[in-house]
Amino acid sequence: AQTVTQSQPEMSVQEAETVTLSCTYDTSESDYYLFWYKQPPSRQMILVIRQEAYKQQNATENRFSVNFQKAAKSFSLKISDSQLGDAAMYFCAYRSPQNTPLVFGKGTRLSVIA
Amino acid sequence: NAGVTQTPKFQVLKTGQSMTLQCAQDMNHNSMYWYRQDPGMGLRLIYYSASEGTTDKGEVPNGYNVSRLNKREFSLRLESAAPSQTSVYFCASSRRELTDTQYFGPGTRLTVL
Repeated sequence: AQTVTQSQPEMSVQEAETVTLSCTYDTSESDYYLFWYKQPPSRQMILVIRQEAYKQQNATENRFSVNFQKAAKSFSLKISDSQLGDAAMYFCAYRSPQNTPLVFGKGTRLSVIA
Repeated sequence: NAGVTQTPKFQVLKTGQSMTLQCAQDMNHNSMYWYRQDPGMGLRLIYYSASEGTTDKGEVPNGYNVSRLNKREFSLRLESAAPSQTSVYFCASSRRELTDTQYFGPGTRLTVL
């Protein structure tokens, strides 16, 4: 079974600085999908970014980008120019192309210091 | 465009009581999901519905039942609530089951005393 590991329970970053959240996963599949979700205090899960494993190019969405290292099974999230509104729990998730559900990591709580 | 809505937002039950959590989406998505989130854990899938008329068990289905009432609505029922079911429950939907991005509702915080 696939597993997703987020080794940093908590992180903090100064406003306007850059922070990287780590995620590793375990799979024997060659094709799959990876996601980062943000959960602010409102509790709603918000998609931040998505990466298809067959794409070599790292996904980017404005200030959010990923470093996808397929061989290392690593999928880190970089947040540039951090803002107070970025403070939240961040969850990494894996999805097989088969009919299987999302597998989530346990999350990283990010604090942004003014 | 409301996206995914859930009712109620908060609920307190006594052990043995029953209740139904409601979820609706207005994005014309085919697939819908119910998750629970416990402290220090990621989300765990309870049940999902790949399409109208079908439901399947997820990782933690025991103690729950679901109904895909129509394409828009997917309800989660607790027949006899237990304190172990105290959690935050999230509904989600996606256009298709396979690889599409899931969009989440705001969650329901349930406490079972």
